[in-house]
Amino acid sequence: NAGVMQNPRHLVRRRGQEARLRCSPMKGHSHVYWYRQLPEEGLKFMVYLQKENIIDESGMPKERFSAEFPKEGPSILRIQQVVRGDSAAYFCASSPETGQLDTQYFGPGTRLTVL
Amino acid sequence: GENVEQHPSTLSVQEGDSAVIKCTYSDSASNYFPWYKQELGKGPQLIIDIRSNVGEKKDQRIAVTLNKTAKHFSLHITETQPEDSAVYFCATGPSGGSYIPTFGRGTSLIVHP
Repeated sequence: NAGVMQNPRHLVRRRGQEARLRCSPMKGHSHVYWYRQLPEEGLKFMVYLQKENIIDESGMPKERFSAEFPKEGPSILRIQQVVRGDSAAYFCASSPETGQLDTQYFGPGTRLTVL
Repeated sequence: GENVEQHPSTLSVQEGDSAVIKCTYSDSASNYFPWYKQELGKGPQLIIDIRSNVGEKKDQRIAVTLNKTAKHFSLHITETQPEDSAVYFCATGPSGGSYIPTFGRGTSLIVHP
């Protein structure tokens, strides 16, 4: 049973470009969470999605950031017109559809570097 | 919102010693308390969790204790090994359908051989 998958693992962008980060949840999981981690800091919640719905985006910056989780395919975190301050590790986590809804399993992360 | 304090930020022990990491929280509605281990360059890995209806849970060399009255919970690692070296994060929040955890800032555990 494959775990949470994220790609790419490393992404380099120049200022002003777009970054697209992908997350495939564990099999049987329909809840996806995105977090950002700055060096030597904890994880900061960004957005919580279920299939085709954004449940909570209270941690998402109001501009340039968007997320989706379509009916088919992975969840996508999109950052438009990246700036140097967007450089961070972005992790997604998934939790099951039934049972322990709050137990989250994390992917390996995407490390975004903005030049 | 929830506020989680984690201590210490760095913990250095000799192989075989015990390590204890403590977290305090503010929201009395929090009732799910996971601990994650993050190795360099990897994602956080769930290592143990506890819910508010129990005071202690153990899994081999790892245990977690919870004191809901004092609003703190701790991770205990016994007989530490060099491969336990990593950053450990606590998290908490109200459980349920829209669980959004708040994470501590992490503890860097170094186990010296």
